[in-house]
Amino acid sequence: AQKVTQAQTEISVVEKEDVTLDCVYETRDTTYYLFWYKQPPSGELVFLIRRNSFDEQNEISGRYSWNFQKSTSSFNFTITASQVVDSAVYFCALRSYNTDKLIFGTGTRLQVFP
Amino acid sequence: SAVISQKPSRDICQRGTSLTIQCQVDSQVTMMFWYRQQPGQSLTLIATANQGSEATYESGFVIDKFPISRPNLTFSTLTVSNLSPEDSSIYLCSVVFGTSYNEQFFGPGTRLTVL
Repeated sequence: AQKVTQAQTEISVVEKEDVTLDCVYETRDTTYYLFWYKQPPSGELVFLIRRNSFDEQNEISGRYSWNFQKSTSSFNFTITASQVVDSAVYFCALRSYNTDKLIFGTGTRLQVFP
Repeated sequence: SAVISQKPSRDICQRGTSLTIQCQVDSQVTMMFWYRQQPGQSLTLIATANQGSEATYESGFVIDKFPISRPNLTFSTLTVSNLSPEDSSIYLCSVVFGTSYNEQFFGPGTRLTVL
């Protein structure tokens, strides 16, 4: 069975703090894809990143960075120097290579206070 | 980048009625999907909208309740039938461009409230 766990329901930080959102996944597949999406208060789901299971290289995009560790089945997301505009619900998702279905975690609500 | 639009953006409906939601993309897509997000919850896939044929539904979702059409490569509709307050959710369409292994992009969502 496939499953995505985001244990942190809600995180509150003050602007400029670094924050890490955890994502742990379960799958029996050897080939799969991991995703992060951002859902701001407006409700739209914004794609942030896709990572293939065979590519464990970490990625950095501006203030965002992702740490993929197959050994611990984790795909964590770090925001450096957080800003109020980062306030949103962040979803981690998993997809097997042989299906189109995205399995979403329950999301982590991030609140960044000024 | 492509634009995905949904109509209506929100609606308030009476119990027992139906609501049809439209999803329009300004370029051809490989795949289209419909998701439901109940209040404070995560997203759940309802079905894959197949062009010119019946949609493929996930467990727990049936065609009588959620009829879906996809007449071409850029447009799909989801109808939520015989509404009850439990249907109050955000309904989102998502699309894949190019190869089916690419990421899914989501429309802005339709916020439905059933009284």
